[in-house]
Amino acid sequence: AQSVSQHNHHVILSEAASLELGCNYSYGGTVNLFWYVQYPGQHLQLLLKYFSGDPLVKGIKGFEAEFIKSKFSFNLRKPSVQWSDTAEYFCAVMPGILYNNNDMRFGAGTRLTVKP
Amino acid sequence: SQTIHQWPATLVQPVGSPLSLECTVEGTSNPNLYWYRQAAGRGLQLLFYSVGIGQISSEVPQNLSASRPQDRQFILSSKKLLLSDSGFYLCAGLGGTGNTEAFFGQGTRLTVV
Repeated sequence: AQSVSQHNHHVILSEAASLELGCNYSYGGTVNLFWYVQYPGQHLQLLLKYFSGDPLVKGIKGFEAEFIKSKFSFNLRKPSVQWSDTAEYFCAVMPGILYNNNDMRFGAGTRLTVKP
Repeated sequence: SQTIHQWPATLVQPVGSPLSLECTVEGTSNPNLYWYRQAAGRGLQLLFYSVGIGQISSEVPQNLSASRPQDRQFILSSKKLLLSDSGFYLCAGLGGTGNTEAFFGQGTRLTVV
């Protein structure tokens, strides 16, 4: 089964700093990749997703992620964070729909704290 | 839009008591459904997933079981809770063919005492 690693457990940044959160997965086949965000007291919501095509994916709120197949990575980036970006971020992997495998795996999450 | 109703939001149960957490889905049919547990500092661990009625895949051996008696109903159960079952349980769904954006319930905070 596939697994997902998020190496940064807690990241603390000042406003306007740039952000990059790492995500690596282990799965040899085609994958669908996601970043979800969980703001304090709220449900998980989708930031962005990659299925195929352009490996640079743009999501909501100025976030983007780049799929690098050779590195099995899908890192999340934002050029300038805001205090409102304080949340927990989860990377998720699901095998491509051509495979008879429907499980969706999440990383351990990265807590981002942005200081005003 | 797809939504998941998950209840209760919080639950305190004694060791050895049974458990039943339920989630129901609205807005889509034949979704894939998932139960995750989120332990402090450990992210979301996949416990069970289901691709249809009566079809359950278990990811880790544990004190829990899952059932899907109806297309839009997914139940997490235990016959006898352990202290280690405490955690935050989250139901999630992926709805419909080609729709791979997951939707989530509000979660249940279970404390076993």
